[in-house]
Amino acid sequence: RKEVEQDPGPFNVPEGATVAFNCTYSNSASQSFFWYRQDCRKEPKLLMSVYSSGNEDGRFTAQLNRASQYISLLIRDSKLSDSATYLCAQPGRLYFGRGTQLTVWP
Amino acid sequence: ETGVTQTPRHLVMGMTNKKSLKCEQHLGHNAMYWYKQSAKKPLELMFVYSLEERVENNSVPSRFSPECPNSSHLFLHLHTLQPEDSALYLCASSQVSSQGNYGYTFGSGTRLTVV
Repeated sequence: RKEVEQDPGPFNVPEGATVAFNCTYSNSASQSFFWYRQDCRKEPKLLMSVYSSGNEDGRFTAQLNRASQYISLLIRDSKLSDSATYLCAQPGRLYFGRGTQLTVWP
Repeated sequence: ETGVTQTPRHLVMGMTNKKSLKCEQHLGHNAMYWYKQSAKKPLELMFVYSLEERVENNSVPSRFSPECPNSSHLFLHLHTLQPEDSALYLCASSQVSSQGNYGYTFGSGTRLTVV
């Protein structure tokens, strides 16, 4: 079983929509996770860290559900500039999920 | 100066060539990593160096040979590659301590095409 699994999408949403992605993990000992954003042909960049208490930064909210072993990323009021691939990652050796592709259309 | 610098940005090489990718980090981190990202595939961890020692090698073919002369520099030596090795090669660094792994930062990557 892979360390981290994501629905690859693609998710296509209109501007202003709310969209959520989930990521399941297998290592129940992990205390924290990361969400990265990767634009086309660019390197991944850290978007948010996710701890047991969750994390909110503006339009972005990340949650960790230990019982079901998944993390989520919620994006409210989507912008065109949110179009990217979103990767979840487990710390340590930083194993990445496949990434979820998001396209926000006008 | 950006935190993690990779050169070259683009590389085209023949299957009989030998080339090297270079990564340099200016963040004072003590761990460095090589990842491979192929089209439609997740990021694959290739090598991990912590305190200049290789601590992980994920079944990577021997035509890829890493070198970490010090905690700020990491190389990936390439020889007799195959077309399926064409991908984006990403370097990353982080600070590892007993409390965890922090400050994970990626370089911009080298886009490699093997012809």
